[in-house]
Amino acid sequence: QKEVEQDPGPLSVPEGAIVSLNCTYSNSAFQYFMWYRQYSRKGPELLMYTYSSGNKEDGRFTAQVDKSSKYISLFIRDSQPSDSATYLCAIPKAAGNKLTFGGGTRVLVKP
Amino acid sequence: GAVVSQHPSWVICKSGTSVKIECRSLDFQATTMFWYRQFPKQSLMLMATSNEGSKATYEQGVEKDKFLINHASLTLSTLTVTSAHPEDSSFYICSAREDGNEQFFGPGTRLTVL
Repeated sequence: QKEVEQDPGPLSVPEGAIVSLNCTYSNSAFQYFMWYRQYSRKGPELLMYTYSSGNKEDGRFTAQVDKSSKYISLFIRDSQPSDSATYLCAIPKAAGNKLTFGGGTRVLVKP
Repeated sequence: GAVVSQHPSWVICKSGTSVKIECRSLDFQATTMFWYRQFPKQSLMLMATSNEGSKATYEQGVEKDKFLINHASLTLSTLTVTSAHPEDSSFYICSAREDGNEQFFGPGTRLTVL
């Protein structure tokens, strides 16, 4: 079983819709959870990180963690064509901050 | 925000030759740098972790004699792909981190080996 699993998509939505992205993880010891956005042929950029269970909001983005289910989510409200990218969840291991990435979900927001 | 650059952004080489990729932290001192490889439509896979002034730590399955990593200063790490073959063609991405802070990713280098 992979440590972090993510549906590869692609996920196609109309402009203005809510985008819902999810990851599951296997190790209950994981404490930090991150979401990165990666445009085609570019490096990833950090969108949000969370430490505990619950919700964290930043503008149009909401990150949600359910540690009991080992399930993390990212919601994008009022999606824009510029949100079209691959979204990766990532979890740092305890030692040395090495990141384990999910496979990434490709999102396409159609105008 | 912190900026990490990579050079070159794109390189084509012949099979059997060696290619060097540079990763620089432009406005902060990176005590740790990470090297990732990403195949098309796949996620980032960590290759190695390098700390300034010490030998890199390679992930399982990554050949350290093939992927030479040097982190000689707090702002520069290099990855040399030795005797490259077509199966080494990939997108190589570095990230850099100060102590205790988040990783900042470079824009990536696309390597094509003919």
